[in-house]
Amino acid sequence: SQKIEQNSEALNIQEGKTATLTCNYTNYSPAYLQWYRQDPGRGPVFLLLIRENEKEKRKERLKVTFDTTLKQSLFHITASQPADSATYLCALASPNQAGTALIFGKGTTLSVSS
Amino acid sequence: GAGVSQTPSNKVTEKGKYVELRCDPISGHTALYWYRQSLGQGPEFLIYFQGTGAADDSGLPNDRFFAVRPEGSVSTLKIQRTERGDSAVYLCASSLALAGGYNEQFFGPGTRLTVL
Repeated sequence: SQKIEQNSEALNIQEGKTATLTCNYTNYSPAYLQWYRQDPGRGPVFLLLIRENEKEKRKERLKVTFDTTLKQSLFHITASQPADSATYLCALASPNQAGTALIFGKGTTLSVSS
Repeated sequence: GAGVSQTPSNKVTEKGKYVELRCDPISGHTALYWYRQSLGQGPEFLIYFQGTGAADDSGLPNDRFFAVRPEGSVSTLKIQRTERGDSAVYLCASSLALAGGYNEQFFGPGTRLTVL
């Protein structure tokens, strides 16, 4: 079965630094990968989508890379701020016929201190 | 515009009871998904609707779980004979149905189900 691992449950960094979160997957090749942000008591909020034929995607202070050989995605937040503190979820397109359901990792909880 | 809404926000029930959880997707979104999320875990896929039909129900854990979307808009997740292990946050998401499935999903706030 598909397996997704996010590098750590928690990541603590200082304001202004770059946060790097890792997502590794096994057993299949997804058509795309998405990153979501989730705050306590709320549903996930979409951040970025990257397709299998794309190496890198950027949006403001966010950058995502997708290495289909390593089966890994890196998610970077540059110039981090305390407001970036949240849980970040990696999600892969399901390999099944419908192809649009997402398989999520457990998430990494980022804490940015001022 | 309005986002995805879910009711109730919290539901406490006793083991063995029947519960219904409702989802109102974003207007115009033909795709609707149900996930459930346990503490410390990511959302786990349950079922996906395209219009009125369930295009993928492979995530439903057993036949106690059932979902409908009769008019292609509002969806109801139904759980029969609830068990304590069903306690979780049930999330609903909707999206446009784009070719290739490259679509971001918009999540509701979830319904927290507690089975005593």
